[in-house]
Amino acid sequence: DTAVSQTPKYLVTQMGNDKSIKCEQNLGHDTMYWYKQDSKKFLKIMFSYNNKELIINETVPNRFSPKSPDKAHLNLHINSLELGDSAVYFCASSHFRLAEAGSDQETQYFGPGTRLLVL
Amino acid sequence: AQKVTQAQTEISVVEKEDVTLDCVYETRDTTYYLFWYKQPPSGELVFLIRRNSFDEQNEISGRYSWNFQKSTSSFNFTITASQVVDSAVYFCALDNQGGKLIFGQGTELSVKP
Repeated sequence: DTAVSQTPKYLVTQMGNDKSIKCEQNLGHDTMYWYKQDSKKFLKIMFSYNNKELIINETVPNRFSPKSPDKAHLNLHINSLELGDSAVYFCASSHFRLAEAGSDQETQYFGPGTRLLVL
Repeated sequence: AQKVTQAQTEISVVEKEDVTLDCVYETRDTTYYLFWYKQPPSGELVFLIRRNSFDEQNEISGRYSWNFQKSTSSFNFTITASQVVDSAVYFCALDNQGGKLIFGQGTELSVKP
């Protein structure tokens, strides 16, 4: 029944490792997002995909690579993890359709978050 | 540029008090959307309300109410008769139709019994 799910919930890893976080939504939404919440609780968007197409790519190191195999899934792969990557990563989804930008903006619904700790 | 400011970093109240969380936004767009989200201690982000820029009508949902004023670029959130379960971090956010939420810094509300 979970609308937006993420795995894993917790991730503890060593500096230099590569890791992935998975996200799935069963809401039938067209757009999915990744946000990062830092230690001061500040939330900032990283990426957004609309129907498997990248539409938002904020200034994020290219060690971060999102992949959307279909519109219900958006995974985040991180290479060569650094201490500063420690944060909570949230996945979200909405009905936002790029071709209809200007129409009523839909609400973004968030997953439970993945707490990443890089040692 | 779009920006959201929540000037109150932390607020502490005693149960049953009313509390207002302030949110001021900046945007040059005439069409935009404003949101409030709640992040309880368990960490998830819970959607509370969405407002579009053409609808300045205030909204009430149970003990929660929202006051949207375009003249002052504010979208304040009031909890009436606060309860311990209201303790959380509350985020105000802005979307200018680009599909990107711009969040404020959050206000941590602590409701003591």
